[in-house]
Amino acid sequence: GNSVTQMEGPVTLSEEAFLTINCTYTATGYPSLFWYVQYPGEGLQLLLKATKADDKGSNKGFEATYRKETTSFHLEKGSVQVSDSAVYFCALTSLSSGGYNKLIFGAGTRLAVHP
Amino acid sequence: DTAVSQTPKYLVTQMGNDKSIKCEQNLGHDTMYWYKQDSKKFLKIMFSYNNKELIINETVPNRFSPKSPDKAHLNLHINSLELGDSAVYFCASSQRLAGGTDTQYFGPGTRLTVL
Repeated sequence: GNSVTQMEGPVTLSEEAFLTINCTYTATGYPSLFWYVQYPGEGLQLLLKATKADDKGSNKGFEATYRKETTSFHLEKGSVQVSDSAVYFCALTSLSSGGYNKLIFGAGTRLAVHP
Repeated sequence: DTAVSQTPKYLVTQMGNDKSIKCEQNLGHDTMYWYKQDSKKFLKIMFSYNNKELIINETVPNRFSPKSPDKAHLNLHINSLELGDSAVYFCASSQRLAGGTDTQYFGPGTRLTVL
């Protein structure tokens, strides 16, 4: 079945540093790809998504490009802020046994940004 | 206005007890989900309902029984609680059928601790 592998955290950066969180996937067909973010004590929120190869999703200075040739969807931000400290989840769509789409999440990568 | 709400936020109980968690969404969405997040932050889908019909049931013990009285509510009842049930349970909703490209909106989570 479809699966997602994320780089292990925690990732610790200083404010204004460049961020990359790696995400690779294994999938049959053409899944949609997502990044969700979970701030401390909260539920997940969609950060960005891409629905087909070469699409770039972007939001709040974060971006990720759907790369079919390398089966990757790496998350990047040019200059992180303390407020970006959170857990980031890469996810993709996958068919359930009943034929409906579901989301498969990676293990999450914790980002800690220090002033 | 809270889009997806869950009650209670915290639940501490003894092994063998039966407990329920409630979820409500005011977004007018057709599809709702339950996810389990373990202590390592790994997030896995448990169930999904579309217009009160169960469409995804992901190899969850039958001690877990979801119920959807209407498409705005999805409750989770757990019988004979075990230590391994301790986790954070998230409810989510999306506009249309499970997965696809639709954004899922998550509730704040219910932290269940079984002693």
